[in-house]
This record gives sequence, structure tokens and C-alpha cells, in this order.
Amino acid sequence: GQSLEQPSEVTAVEGAIVQINCTYQTSGFYGLSWYQQHDGGAPTFLSYNALDGLEETGRFSSFLSRSDSYGYLLLQELQMKDSASYFCAVGRDDKIIFGKGTRLHILP
Amino acid sequence: GAVVSQHPSWVICKSGTSVKIECRSLDFQATTMFWYRQFPKQSLMLMATSNEGSKATYEQGVEKDKFLINHASLTLSTLTVTSAHPEDSSFYICSARDSRLAGGPNTGELFFGEGSRLTVL
Repeated sequence: GQSLEQPSEVTAVEGAIVQINCTYQTSGFYGLSWYQQHDGGAPTFLSYNALDGLEETGRFSSFLSRSDSYGYLLLQELQMKDSASYFCAVGRDDKIIFGKGTRLHILP
Repeated sequence: GAVVSQHPSWVICKSGTSVKIECRSLDFQATTMFWYRQFPKQSLMLMATSNEGSKATYEQGVEKDKFLINHASLTLSTLTVTSAHPEDSSFYICSARDSRLAGGPNTGELFFGEGSRLTVL
């Protein structure tokens, strides 16, 4: 089987930096993905890490350590529109399995 | 990015009736589509993997006779919730992977439809 652990909620201030961690246990691991989902909407893809290290895409960065079965999503210069749920997900056996999600609250 | 369209966005039905949800890839061919279900404030739970021209592969605990999946063409997969009951009320989301993208089938990028919110009275 597989499991992904991430915090259920995180609160940060507008303009700040926030890190959302994800640990996973799975066989046949290919890589770690991150998705954003606003209330009532569909998930949108943010990033994917197959190899160790940091991937940067604008204000968002994602990190993976395969040896630690750990990754994180880093959001910089937080904006109110970043208030959403963030899911880490692993790919295995041609399927994508999602974590339980982290709800990000941003204070003005 | 690739576009996936899902219809209907909202559906309300009476208990005991069947509801069909369509998922279309608009600008690419999707040999594989995935159906997820999401309850409020919870994660996306994979229900089944839909393969074009063959039977769907269901996740453990998902009733294949209740959730009928058909993937008759490279751009269309349908989910039919048969004999729906109030506990089936949920947000159903389809997704597809664009096989044109490099990296193989496990590269992690899925394109999601808009989702279908089902309410069974």
C-alpha cells in the first residue's frame, strides 16, 4: 500500500513564505507531485519532482529527498489568492495517489 | 496545458435513479483516464482507472457494478452511478494524462475536468 502524510492546516501572513511538508511510504515510487485546489474547483498541477533537489517555478518551489521519503512545497510572497488546499501525490503503477491535503489560510 | 472537459457540473437526482457523467479530452487523446471522488474537505480518492477499449480497473472497495465506467474512444470516458443513494452524493472528478508529454506514465501531471457535484435526494 501507500500513505502520504501532510499537515491538515497551515496559516501564514500575506507576503510571507510558507512550507508544506509531505512524507510518503510507497513501493514503486516514481516521483512526487503537488496540486492546488480552490474551494469548489478542480485540482491544478503545480510541480513534479522525480529526482532529489529543488524545482522552482515562479513563486512556488518543490523539493524532494528520495532517501528520506520526504518532500515539501514552498510558497513565497504569499498572496490572498493562494488560499487553497494543497495536495502532495505520488505516482506508481501508472496511477496518481493523493495525500489528504493541507488547507492554507492566509491572513492579511 | 491539455484541456479536459467534464459534464454536467451539477446534478441533482432522486434516490434510485442513475446518473451519467462524461469526461472528454478536448485537445489530446487520452488512452487512460482516472475517476476520483472527493467528499467535502477531504482528499481525492481514486475510484478507477479507465482504459480505452478495455475494462476499467477499480480500486479496492469500489463497487464496479454501481460505478460503471466506459471508455469507448480516445477522447471520452463516462462514469454512470447506478441506483444512486444519498451516500453517493459527492464531487466526482475525472482526469487524464497527456501521453505526448515526456517522462512516461508516472510523471505526475494530470489534467483534471471541472468536476461534477452529485446530490442524491
